[in-house]
Amino acid sequence: AQKITQTQPGMFVQEKEAVTLDCTYDTSDQSYGLFWYKQPSSGEMIFLIYQGSYDEQNATEGRYSLNFQKARKSANLVISASQLGDSAMYFCAMREGVVDDKIIFGKGTRLHILP
Amino acid sequence: KAGVTQTPRYLIKTRGQQVTLSCSPISGHRSVSWYQQTPGQGLQFLFEYFSETQRNKGNFPGRFSGRQFSNSRSEMNVSTLELGDSALYLCASSLSAVDGYTFGSGTRLTVV
Repeated sequence: AQKITQTQPGMFVQEKEAVTLDCTYDTSDQSYGLFWYKQPSSGEMIFLIYQGSYDEQNATEGRYSLNFQKARKSANLVISASQLGDSAMYFCAMREGVVDDKIIFGKGTRLHILP
Repeated sequence: KAGVTQTPRYLIKTRGQQVTLSCSPISGHRSVSWYQQTPGQGLQFLFEYFSETQRNKGNFPGRFSGRQFSNSRSEMNVSTLELGDSALYLCASSLSAVDGYTFGSGTRLTVV
């Protein structure tokens, strides 16, 4: 079974609009971490935001926020005021436990920002 | 500070050959992980090293191996290359479990 599910293979959004990228996860661990990464066409993976399973507040980093709904096992990424440079692949990822460094990635969502 | 450095950036090999990819993590990072990225399979975990010990291994055949040196630099080796090994190989290092990974630019391997 997939541990990380991103149901939107691709999305088109008008510049300056907000966009929500969906991510659901599956784990039986109580302690885990959730990540979002951005991969532009250059190929490099860029870390965007982190949410720990015990964090009570939703994580925010500039225009990025993570809508964490623990009971639903959902960790959606919200990008406010989208820009052309936001066009990229976005990956949701999870690390289970606190010692295990392995991070599992979803299949990704390709975001296209339209001018 | 310097990021994660992967060499070479591009590589073309013939079926049956072997290849070694190198990764230098960010200074102070002791954990290094390797991923294979293909259009069909996405990002698949290969292995993770911490203080020269393999701590995790993904579901890849024994042709894929790796190691980590005392300075945290890591290498991965693929022997008897197959066409299906063509992929972007990404290396990532991390300082702690909450810091996430910092990725290198990757090595794009093409097997012909």
